[in-house]
Amino acid sequence: AQSVTQPDIHITVSEGASLELRCNYSYGATPYLFWYVQSPGQGLQLLLKYFSGDTLVQGIKGFEAEFKRSQSSFNLRKPSVHWSDAAEYFCAVGGNSNYQLIWGAGTKLIIKP
Amino acid sequence: GAGVSQSPRYKVAKRGQDVALRCDPISGHVSLFWYQQALGQGPEFLTYFQNEAQLDKSGLPSDRFFAERPEGSVSTLKIQRTQQEDSAVYLCASSARNRDGANVLTFGAGSRLTVL
Repeated sequence: AQSVTQPDIHITVSEGASLELRCNYSYGATPYLFWYVQSPGQGLQLLLKYFSGDTLVQGIKGFEAEFKRSQSSFNLRKPSVHWSDAAEYFCAVGGNSNYQLIWGAGTKLIIKP
Repeated sequence: GAGVSQSPRYKVAKRGQDVALRCDPISGHVSLFWYQQALGQGPEFLTYFQNEAQLDKSGLPSDRFFAERPEGSVSTLKIQRTQQEDSAVYLCASSARNRDGANVLTFGAGSRLTVL
């Protein structure tokens, strides 16, 4: 079955500390992978995407993610978080012939001052 | 327009009322999606349009839900005889299909529906 798992419902990080949000997927074909961020009361904003090529992708706001096929993972990282990064983060997977994205349940990021 | 625009941003309805939610996608985007997002959850697919054609409505939870995109641009999601379980944020997204074949979605800010 196709699925996306974000194991952490909440993560609390001190401002300035590094961050890693986990995403594992199960998908029958070559996956296209996405990370979106949602601030309170806002829609979803694309942070970064992976289609092919270099498995380390850079996104907006200083985020990066690494695609590891052997681990079926696409973890999101940031070396130093800012208070404005507090939001909910969603991982999603899709494919070339599949217009539907499969979404994780999200990870809420809380920043400690 | 520059982004996906949704209206109203907030809607409070009494149980049994009909509601209509509007989505104005990015100009030129042929694909349009509606999602439902319950509190604390990821988006759940409702329906998909390619231009004016509704190619997939498998995610609509009941026959009270109806979506249209008559001229291939603006779309309306209509919910008839609203129930409390319809309370959610309704997200619209549009995309211009990437040359690799993937859909990269641009989302609107959503319409938050509260049914009393």
